Amino acid sequence: QKEVEQNSGPLSVPEGAIASLNCTYSDRVSQSFFWYRQYSGKSPELIMSIYSNGDKEDGRFTAQLNKASQYVSLLIRDSQPSDSATYLCAVSSTGNQFYFGTGTSLTVIP
Amino acid sequence: DTEVTQTPKHLVMGMTNKKSLKCEQHMGHRAMYWYKQKAKKPPELMFVYSYEKLSINESVPSRFSPECPNSSLLNLHLHALQPEDSALYLCASSQDGQGHQPQHFGDGTRLSIL
Repeated sequence: QKEVEQNSGPLSVPEGAIASLNCTYSDRVSQSFFWYRQYSGKSPELIMSIYSNGDKEDGRFTAQLNKASQYVSLLIRDSQPSDSATYLCAVSSTGNQFYFGTGTSLTVIP
Repeated sequence: DTEVTQTPKHLVMGMTNKKSLKCEQHMGHRAMYWYKQKAKKPPELMFVYSYEKLSINESVPSRFSPECPNSSLLNLHLHALQPEDSALYLCASSQDGQGHQPQHFGDGTRLSIL
């Protein structure tokens, strides 16, 4: 059974702070890693893709991947109330199937 | 707005009805997916079409029947659904069928079974 685990939260941070979201996965051959944001009642929206070890930055978002530790994270700098959502980690290994974590609920407090 | 279009946005149906959900993408993606999502849960994979062929069927009850008429369209035919089938149904597409590229989701169809 391939597992992707996230802390369900809720995670609360003050506006302007850094929010740190974590994800671990069980399948060592996993190759592709994705972070999605999902607002309540809406569909998942892709934020970041990361494929190799290290950091990848896009605006206020930084994804970090450590394949040896089977760990991927998402940092949100200068958090805004509009960042309040559920963040889903998705992992893909062989084949065309994604494995989703259960999601972390983030609340940014003004 | 997303580049994956799902219709209808909302659907209410009785347990004896037959209805279809539709999904369309014009990004040239070769893999398309159906997911079911219950409140406060992650999306749950139902079916995967890769190059217009059904490649994954996650033991979904036969009251759900997928169809891929061409590379841009994906349907989900519904018949004799149960109240527990009420959920958000999401369609997604990805550039390849190998899992290397991200999946892009439509806005979903919110289905209620009476």
